[in-house]
Amino acid sequence: NAGVMQNPRHLVRRRGQEARLRCSPMKGHSHVYWYRQLPEEGLKFMVYLQKENIIDESGMPKERFSAEFPKEGPSILRIQQVVRGDSAAYFCASSRGQEHNEQFFGPGTRLTVL
Amino acid sequence: AQSVTQLGSHVSVSEGALVLLRCNYSSSVPPYLFWYVQYPNQGLQLLLKYTTGATLVKGINGFEAEFKKSETSFHLTKPSAHMSDAAEYFCAVSPAGYSTLTFGKGTMLLVSP
Repeated sequence: NAGVMQNPRHLVRRRGQEARLRCSPMKGHSHVYWYRQLPEEGLKFMVYLQKENIIDESGMPKERFSAEFPKEGPSILRIQQVVRGDSAAYFCASSRGQEHNEQFFGPGTRLTVL
Repeated sequence: AQSVTQLGSHVSVSEGALVLLRCNYSSSVPPYLFWYVQYPNQGLQLLLKYTTGATLVKGINGFEAEFKKSETSFHLTKPSAHMSDAAEYFCAVSPAGYSTLTFGKGTMLLVSP
């Protein structure tokens, strides 16, 4: 009974490159959330998705960031033209539904921008 | 809107001593409240949660928390600390019936022998 899977665990990019972070939710979960953790900060909500739908993207930066959760396959968080300030740990969580508030977290992807 | 304040970025206790990690929240609607633990280079693990009903909530690893509406608090306690409790602890809030979590900045718990 695998938990939430994220890959890669570590990602290094140079400024201006693209970063793609993947998240496979727990079996039976159709809701995915992305959070960002900056050094010395708590987790900040970025986006909440269901299959093929973005439910809440109020925490997403207006430019360069996008997320999707296709009908088949993992959820993808995409960061275009990365900058040093994007260096952070990005966590994905999944839940069975909105009414079931318990979110299960993945191990995170640590993005380093050189 | 919701917000969470965790008093003390670092808390140090001796093994066997009481653990008290403080969390105060602000919410314009009835809240759901959570405590998560994060070990180095790992994701977050749910310790316990309050949704409705009994205000004293028991979680895993001997932790418990009490929801006090009048004080807008949800402090985490454990009667006797173990070395294995050393980790970072996050308090979080969500509006009742909604999923998105708002986290505090976290408290690092240090346990000394």
